[in-house]
Amino acid sequence: QKEVEQNSGPLSVPEGAIASLNCTYSDRGSQSFFWYRQYSGKSPELIMSIYSNGDKEDGRFTAQLNKASQYVSLLIRDSQPSDSATYLCAVTLQAGTALIFGKGTTLSVSS
Amino acid sequence: GAVVSQHPSWVICKSGTSVKIECRSLDFQATTMFWYRQFPKQSLMLMATSNEGSKATYEQGVEKDKFLINHASLTLSTLTVTSAHPEDSSFYICSASPTGQKIYNEQFFGPGTRLTVL
Repeated sequence: QKEVEQNSGPLSVPEGAIASLNCTYSDRGSQSFFWYRQYSGKSPELIMSIYSNGDKEDGRFTAQLNKASQYVSLLIRDSQPSDSATYLCAVTLQAGTALIFGKGTTLSVSS
Repeated sequence: GAVVSQHPSWVICKSGTSVKIECRSLDFQATTMFWYRQFPKQSLMLMATSNEGSKATYEQGVEKDKFLINHASLTLSTLTVTSAHPEDSSFYICSASPTGQKIYNEQFFGPGTRLTVL
């Protein structure tokens, strides 16, 4: 059974702080890793993808991947109230296969 | 780039009727599309994988005769909910994977269709 685990939260941080979201996955054959943001009532939006060990930065977002530990994380710097959403971690084995989603972590950023 | 549309965005129908939902990749070709369903406060549930020109692959527990999927072209997949019942009321979301990806498998989601069956 391929699984992706996330802490459901809610994770509450004050505006301007760093939010840290974590995800573990069970299948060592996983090749691609993604973070999606989903606002209530909306569909998921791809915000970060990462494929190799290490860090990948895009604006205020940094994704970190450690394949040995089967661990993916997302850091959001200078958190804003507009970042309040559910963040979904997803992994996939290979091109053309379905994403395996975690249940999501709800982030709340207070002003 | 990488825009996926869905139509309609919401639909209300009577129990027993059929509803068709379209998913289109607007600026790329997608050999593979995926259909998900999401109930309130729950995560996405994969229903089926749709491949252009072939039969869809359904996840365990999803009735293929109730949820008909047609992937007629590289930019269009349709989901038809046949004889809909109130328990089929949900948020249906498609995603598309650009053709030619060998490794990365990025998938882009449509805006979703909210179905309410009375």
